[in-house]
Order: sequence, then structure tokens, then C-alpha cells
Amino acid sequence: DTEVTQTPKHLVMGMTNKKSLKCEQHMGHRAMYWYKQKAKKPPELMFVYSYEKLSINESVPSRFSPECPNSSLLNLHLHALQPEDSALYLCASSQTGQGRATEAFFGQGTRLTVV
Amino acid sequence: KNEVEQSPQNLTAQEGEFITINCSYSVGISALHWLQQHPGGGIVSLFMLSSGKKKHGRLIATINIQEKHSSLHITASHPRDSAVYICAVNWGGSEKLVFGKGTKLTVNP
Repeated sequence: DTEVTQTPKHLVMGMTNKKSLKCEQHMGHRAMYWYKQKAKKPPELMFVYSYEKLSINESVPSRFSPECPNSSLLNLHLHALQPEDSALYLCASSQTGQGRATEAFFGQGTRLTVV
Repeated sequence: KNEVEQSPQNLTAQEGEFITINCSYSVGISALHWLQQHPGGGIVSLFMLSSGKKKHGRLIATINIQEKHSSLHITASHPRDSAVYICAVNWGGSEKLVFGKGTKLTVNP
């Protein structure tokens, strides 16, 4: 199984809603990532978890709250978002780097629209 | 400044043509990745390189560490190859990927 599964595929939410994006992998990878991608732009890193601990936070606003409940799951909790947060949210995983680069596997993404 | 530059930004080809997409980076890296993204979102990892050359089917990726340059070649291109191709690098020992802006490839039948 070389898949990273993201749910939901599409999400429309209001600015006062609370929602969560989910990501799952069963490749035994110990590094998991959230990226945000706006239309016609490259992905931008938001968070990195390594061995279920947050290792990188790219100064993301607190309305985005990541969670890694176990080595296979990664969540992104959303609260009080703004319309400019509408984007494709991509999850990825890799064997943990620990000082070396490893191949990243990406999910299909969740297309989020904030209204 | 750590930068990843891709060229061309857009590329249109006829089916069967040989295609080359280029990627240059500014400082030393530990690895370079070629990724493919189709309309609709999902990203597929094509290659991860730290030296030399790799081949998978009709795709070939090369990297020249001294010149800080990599190329992705597609032989006998097909309309299903139409996608955005993204070059990304790991700086030093970081797990963080730094992305180029992508090359949008359209292969016409």
C-alpha cells in the first residue's frame, strides 16, 4: 500500500464553522506533512510531524491546528477561517529524514472553499 | 537566497515529441525531486535524485551536482503526459521540500 488517503475530497465551510481534514497512510512512514496550494502556485509547507511530534510550523495562523494522534494519522483542525484560506490542502508522508532526504508520497488533496 | 528555478513555465508539444524540462537551484542540496500534478490536485512522485540518472518507462531524470542543474526528459510524449511537472529540493539535511513554480506541459494528439 503506497497510498496517502485524504478525506474529504471537497469541503465548503463558513467562516464560523469548525471542521477537520484527515490524512492516513499505512506505509510505516514516521514523517507527515501538511501543504497548502493556491491555484497555479506551488505547494507551501505548513507543518511537519516527525515521530508524532510537531517539528516544523511555518508560522501558520492559529486558526489551523494540526494533530498527529498516531503514526498513521494526521489531522488538520480548522476554525474561524477566512475566504483567502480557500485552497487545495495536501498531505504527504515520508520515512523520517533524520538528516537525510527521503521520497515523499502525496495524497489527492482536500479542496477547501471558505464562504 | 535558496531558490529553485524551472524552465520553461509552459510547454506545448505534439504527441510523440521528445520533451525536456529544466530545473536549476542556487545552493547545495541533499536531494532533488521531480513531481507530477494532474488537474484536480494529487501529486505523484516521479523521481528522487541525489546524483546521476534515473529512468522509469518513458521518463528519464538527470542531475549535475556541480552545475546545480537537473533535467526531466519524456520520450515519445503522449496526451496523458499533460500535467504540471514540479521540481523540488531538500536543502542540506532538511525534510522540508522547496518547490519550483512548475512547468505546465500540454501534449496535443
